[in-house]
Amino acid sequence: EAGVVQSPRYKIIEKKQPVAFWCNPISGHNTLYWYLQNLGQGPELLIRYENEEAVDDSQLPKDRFSAERLKGVDSTLKIQPAELGDSAVYLCASRLGGANTGELFFGEGSRLTVL
Amino acid sequence: AQTVTQSQPEMSVQEAETVTLSCTYDTSESDYYLFWYKQPPSRQMILVIRQEAYKQQNATENRFSVNFQKAAKSFSLKISDSQLGDAAMYFCAYRSDNAGNMLTFGGGTRLMVKP
Repeated sequence: EAGVVQSPRYKIIEKKQPVAFWCNPISGHNTLYWYLQNLGQGPELLIRYENEEAVDDSQLPKDRFSAERLKGVDSTLKIQPAELGDSAVYLCASRLGGANTGELFFGEGSRLTVL
Repeated sequence: AQTVTQSQPEMSVQEAETVTLSCTYDTSESDYYLFWYKQPPSRQMILVIRQEAYKQQNATENRFSVNFQKAAKSFSLKISDSQLGDAAMYFCAYRSDNAGNMLTFGGGTRLMVKP
């Protein structure tokens, strides 16, 4: 079974440019997360989706970040315009919905470098 | 809000020896889950072990075991017979037993294994 797939794995852009990251969760997983991981730190939640609905986006900087999960499957995270401080790894994770132990499955992440 | 603290930024262990990684957390809830995730240089987070707070018995997965002290809000990971492949970042994480299902991560501990 395929895991969580993210692309691109690496992206280098100049500040003020837009960038988008894509995530394909594990088939059947209703819950999808985007996490931000700064170098040497633990991941921090940006947004959580239950199917196509964003149910927790309190940590998402909405002035420049946006996300969508059309049809409740794939998701896209966009930054426009990017700032130097956005350089980080953006992790996508998915989870099977319902009552369970809550294990999240992570993708390999997308490393963003803003010059 | 829950917080997770890992007080050891780096740890080192000799191959075949045992090492313990520390984790403490702060919560007012009684039902929750705790996890240890491993993140090798490839960046993909992999679940190592989980513990349900209502279970008194410490979880064990092969060479990995935990020491869960609920009253002290402590959740340490013991790695026995350390192998070179164990070298990675290790993150302790907390998840509340409610509809949020959001993981809160600690800052991580980098484990180095010496041959």
